[in-house]
Amino acid sequence: QQQVKQSPQSLIVQKGGISIINCAYENTAFDYFPWYQQFPGKGPALLIAIRPDVSEKKEGRFTISFNKSAKQFSLHIMDSQPGDSATYFCAASRGAAGNKLTFGGGTRVLVKP
Amino acid sequence: DARVTQTPRHKVTEMGQEVTMRCQPILGHNTVFWYRQTMMQGLELLAYFRNRAPLDDSGMPKDRFSAEMPDATLATLKIQPSEPRDSAVYFCASRSGTGTDTQYFGPGTRLTVL
Repeated sequence: QQQVKQSPQSLIVQKGGISIINCAYENTAFDYFPWYQQFPGKGPALLIAIRPDVSEKKEGRFTISFNKSAKQFSLHIMDSQPGDSATYFCAASRGAAGNKLTFGGGTRVLVKP
Repeated sequence: DARVTQTPRHKVTEMGQEVTMRCQPILGHNTVFWYRQTMMQGLELLAYFRNRAPLDDSGMPKDRFSAEMPDATLATLKIQPSEPRDSAVYFCASRSGTGTDTQYFGPGTRLTVL
């Protein structure tokens, strides 16, 4: 069964701190690893994504680190802001399987001012 | 500003009633996904279509759920009969068929079955 395991389930960070969320996957055929951000009452929105041919991708304050051998990837939110308070989902998909997303369980992030 | 739209945004119904949820994908997107979000199961794929053809509906309870795309601008998800365990937020997402894996999610339909 394809699975993506995400941790922690929740985290609290002070404004300006670093939020780190980790995900592990099982299926080595996955070739696309996005992170989605979801605010209450809204649909998930793509935040940043990576492919397994690179080990790191940075967009502004958000960075994905990818470890292919360990089958793990993580999201780092630098200089966390109260507006970053949301639920974050990692996901994985395989292009040959229609890019169906398999989601992690989600991490609720609270950034305290 | 192109976006996925879903109607209704909220639906409260009684057990046994038929529920129809609608989705309008982003114009030009040829792949449409239906996801369900619950506290217990998280986000899970129910079905998806490419060029209006159903490609995978293995995530749906076949006896009560059905998904269709009558045309390129409309996808529907029906539950008949509905049960309390169907209470969830149902999301539609669409993706362009050319050169991108990004899925764009709609705002969801929050379904409550009493």
